[in-house]
Amino acid sequence: EAAVTQSPRSKVAVTGGKVTLSCHQTNNHDYMYWYRQDTGHGLRLIHYSYVADSTEKGDIPDGYKASRPSQENFSLILELASLSQTAVYFCASSEGTSAETLYFGSGTRLTVL
Amino acid sequence: GEQVEQRPPHLSVREGDSAIIICTYTDSATAYFSWYKQEAGAGLQLLMSVLSNVDRKEEQGLTVLLNKKDKRLSLNLTAAHPGDSAVYFCAVSEDQGGRALIFGTGTTVSVSP
Repeated sequence: EAAVTQSPRSKVAVTGGKVTLSCHQTNNHDYMYWYRQDTGHGLRLIHYSYVADSTEKGDIPDGYKASRPSQENFSLILELASLSQTAVYFCASSEGTSAETLYFGSGTRLTVL
Repeated sequence: GEQVEQRPPHLSVREGDSAIIICTYTDSATAYFSWYKQEAGAGLQLLMSVLSNVDRKEEQGLTVLLNKKDKRLSLNLTAAHPGDSAVYFCAVSEDQGGRALIFGTGTTVSVSP
């Protein structure tokens, strides 16, 4: 069974602080993604990666950085957290460009105060 | 760019009834259509997907209909049961790559006994 695990499950951060969200997959998938979920907006793609040591911008990359140090791990970094970044963040993986299925983690609920 | 609208935002049905969720999209080049289910506290899981050459697909009490003329995708939960209570998302793209998936805003379905 495909497995994508995220940590932490929830986090409270202060405005201006640095936040790192982590994602680990055991699927041996090439592609990994970070999505943000907000009420009324569905899921929006922040960053994705198709190979270790390389990341690509998604639809809403501003204010976020990503890091893919290995095939298994993909991190999302908020250097200066802001109130507007309060949301639920999902990591996902897929086999490749022709993959039909995204495998999602359980999400990280981030609250910025 | 592609715009996806999903309705209704909330749907309450009794066990055994049908529940229908509709998504409309704007880009006629859209070629890949999928439905995801998000149970409470969990990530999204793929329910069904179809390519643009398919008008109808049925699996395990679920029916997906694609009307390319009207740019409309629907998910019908026939004979809903309490285990179907969840948030449902449509997701579409011009290809099958996850990086290009555009998600709808979600429909919260509640099935009462």
